[in-house]
Amino acid sequence: QVQLQESGPGLVKPSETLSLTCTVSGGSISNYYWSWIRQPPGKGLEWIGYIYNSGSGNTDYNPSLKSRVTISVDTSKNQFSLKLSSVTTADTAVYYCARSRNLDYWGRGTLVTVSS
Amino acid sequence: EIVLTQSPGTLSLSPGERATLSCRASQSVSSNYLAWYQQKPGQAPRLLIYGASSRITGIPDRFSGSGSGTDFTLTISRLEPEDFAVYYCQQYGSSPRTFGQGTKVEIK
Repeated sequence: QVQLQESGPGLVKPSETLSLTCTVSGGSISNYYWSWIRQPPGKGLEWIGYIYNSGSGNTDYNPSLKSRVTISVDTSKNQFSLKLSSVTTADTAVYYCARSRNLDYWGRGTLVTVSS
Repeated sequence: EIVLTQSPGTLSLSPGERATLSCRASQSVSSNYLAWYQQKPGQAPRLLIYGASSRITGIPDRFSGSGSGTDFTLTISRLEPEDFAVYYCQQYGSSPRTFGQGTKVEIK
């Protein structure tokens, strides 16, 4: 059974960079799309972007976040990561990692609060 | 960007009743790459339906998806107590991927 687990700081200061890692277990990280999605408290889901781990490492990002987002993968560790720079309080959300184009497996999510 | 509009915002029904949830796209969804997710409080979303009408293994057959192009529907034939939750549609046929705003199915 594939499992995903997000990890990273739960508190980030405004203007700093949010960094999260998703560890994949129970399956290979190769040849899949790996996505990040977020959900502000009490609100709906927002797609952040994905990386396609097939050698080329193609990425695609939400245009609203593109200038601040980087998604990367470390195949040797079965992990992929999210970096979101210059955060503001509007970036406070539960951040989820998920697999595949149709998001068939999800992590449990991790709350990241942006506050000084 | 494809905008997905879900209706109604809230659906108040009793167990045993039929639920019909709508997801309308601002333009045609490529290859009908439309998915439905269920989310309960404090939990991650769970994939129910992909490709507009294909049910994920393990999802009860009371859940069904239909539609094509710009109009899609999730039907729950007979609501069970565990089905009361928020449901989201999402298109993954074009970039950026987008979600609908969600439909809450609540107990009447």
